[in-house]
This record gives sequence, C-alpha cells and structure tokens, in this order.
Amino acid sequence: KQEVTQIPAALSVPEGENLVLNCSFTDSAIYNLQWFRQDPGKGLTSLLLIQSSQREQTSGRLNASLDKSSGRSTLYIAASQPGDSATYLCAVRSGGQNFVFGPGTRLSVLP
Amino acid sequence: GAGVSQSPRYKVAKRGQDVALRCDPISGHVSLFWYQQALGQGPEFLTYFQNEAQLDKSGLPSDRFFAERPEGSVSTLKIQRTQQEDSAVYLCASNLQGRGGTEAFFGQGTRLTVV
Repeated sequence: KQEVTQIPAALSVPEGENLVLNCSFTDSAIYNLQWFRQDPGKGLTSLLLIQSSQREQTSGRLNASLDKSSGRSTLYIAASQPGDSATYLCAVRSGGQNFVFGPGTRLSVLP
Repeated sequence: GAGVSQSPRYKVAKRGQDVALRCDPISGHVSLFWYQQALGQGPEFLTYFQNEAQLDKSGLPSDRFFAERPEGSVSTLKIQRTQQEDSAVYLCASNLQGRGGTEAFFGQGTRLTVV
C-alpha cells in the first residue's frame, strides 16, 4: 500500500527566502506525482505535475524534482512571498489509479 | 465548464439525515474521484469512476456511503444516516484520461457538518 509523508509539517520563513518542501513515498511504481496548494477553506490548486519518466518540472518560481528510485520529490520555492502562504500537498498516482496524498506542509511567509 | 464545480459549498445536517453532494467535472474528463478531507489532514480516497463505471470504491468508509455517475459526467456522493464522524470536506477531482498520465483538477469542496 502506497504511503506518502511530507516534511516539515509546518514552516515559517521571512519573505524573500528560498525554501524546500519534501515529499516521500514508499512504492516507486508510480505514474506521476502532483503538487497542490490549498488555501484555508478552499479546494486544491494544481501547481506542478511530474510524470514518472521526468526528473523535474518548473513553473515560475516553483521547481519540483522527482527521484523515483529513492521515493522522493522536492518542491523548491524561490524568493518566497506572503502570498505563498498555504498548505502544500503532494499526491502520488500509481497502479490503483487514485491519488494518495501526504498530510501536507503548512507554510507561512512573513512580510 | 471552466473547472470542477461542487455543490453545495456548505451543508449542515442533523445526525441521521441523508445528504447528497454533487460534482460537475470538467467537460470531457473521463476520470472522476471523490476524496474526504478531515481538518488538518490530507485528502483520503473514497471512490473512482472512469466514465460511468465505478472502478474502485475501496475507500468508502461504510455502506452508508454511495456514489454514482450514471451518464459519465455529473456525479453524486450520497451519505445515508449521517454521523458526526462524517463531518469533513468532500472533494471531487477529474482528469482527462482513464489512465494516470494527466493533471487532475479539484473542485472547491463541500464542507459537511453533522450536528
């Protein structure tokens, strides 16, 4: 059974810092991994999708990497801004078709 | 439509009441998922449809939970005889293909509170 963990559980940084969020999964036989952002009381907003054959994806200040063999993904956020404050979730999709989510990292960027 | 739409956004139900939650996926999306998210936790899988076929319902917590997608588009999640532990946000997602290669899009969710 696929299990996904995320470290740290919470993170508070001053504006402008670069930061890294970590996601680990137990079964490396995945189709893809997707990073989401969730604002309080809202649904999930897709940030980046990495296919199993890819090593990384970039969108603006966000960069996500995937090391399937070690069961790890990182989300790098450059030059953080207060508007980046949210919960960040990673989700892995494998043979069972459904996504398995991690518990999330709650990020606060202080002005 | 422009995105995944869920209704109602909020639902308060008395314990024992039946509820129905609706999901309108993005037009043309083959796959549809339902997830349950408790406060402070990541979403937990409930069920998955490919077109009108319910291919996986292993995450449904009890036989009080029932989901359908009769015409392969709109889906309804029904909870019978609601209990307080059913209080959560129910999220719906869709993606284009039947297999796992494409990006999934989520709705805003329905926050269910059972009192």
